[in-house]
Amino acid sequence: QKEVEQNSGPLSVPEGAIASLNCTYSDRGSQSFFWYRQYSGKSPELIMSIYSNGDKEDGRFTAQLNKASQYVSLLIRDSQPSDSATYLCAVKDGTASKLTFGTGTRLQVTL
Amino acid sequence: GAGVSQSPSNKVTEKGKDVELRCDPISGHTALYWYRQSLGQGLEFLIYFQGNSAPDKSGLPSDRFSAERTGGSVSTLTIQRTQQEDSAVYLCASSLDSKNIQYFGAGTRLSVL
Repeated sequence: QKEVEQNSGPLSVPEGAIASLNCTYSDRGSQSFFWYRQYSGKSPELIMSIYSNGDKEDGRFTAQLNKASQYVSLLIRDSQPSDSATYLCAVKDGTASKLTFGTGTRLQVTL
Repeated sequence: GAGVSQSPSNKVTEKGKDVELRCDPISGHTALYWYRQSLGQGLEFLIYFQGNSAPDKSGLPSDRFSAERTGGSVSTLTIQRTQQEDSAVYLCASSLDSKNIQYFGAGTRLSVL
């Protein structure tokens, strides 16, 4: 069974701080990695994708991938109250088309 | 163009009834996925369609669940003889093809009483 693990949280950070969200996965064949943001009662919205080891930056968001450690993370700089949501880590291997999701980490950005 | 459209947004049904959920993917997207999200759970893959290929049904939880995709566009997920454990948000996603990013619809919240 391919698994994606996330700490459910809530992760509470003050406004302006860096939020660090972590995800581990069990399938070494995984090749594509995604972070989705989901506001309460809404559908998941893609915020980052990463395919190679290292860092990928997009505005305030940085995704980090370490395939040897089977670990992917999302950093949110200068956290804002509007970043408060559940962040879902999703993984796809080279053969499957479906995404395998973690249960998500709830982030709370406090004033 | 428009995003992934799902209907109805909410569905309340009685145990034992059949329900149909509809998904209209983004125009031009050949891949279509159904997922289920139960309260406090991650998204669970149900079924995947790619063009005219046979669908990947490996995630369907029982034979009460079925789905079809007519004309390579709109898809319908049917749940027969609904049970209370079927209560969840059913999410549809589409992508240009199986290698591309999946975009989600707003979902259908199903409540089985």
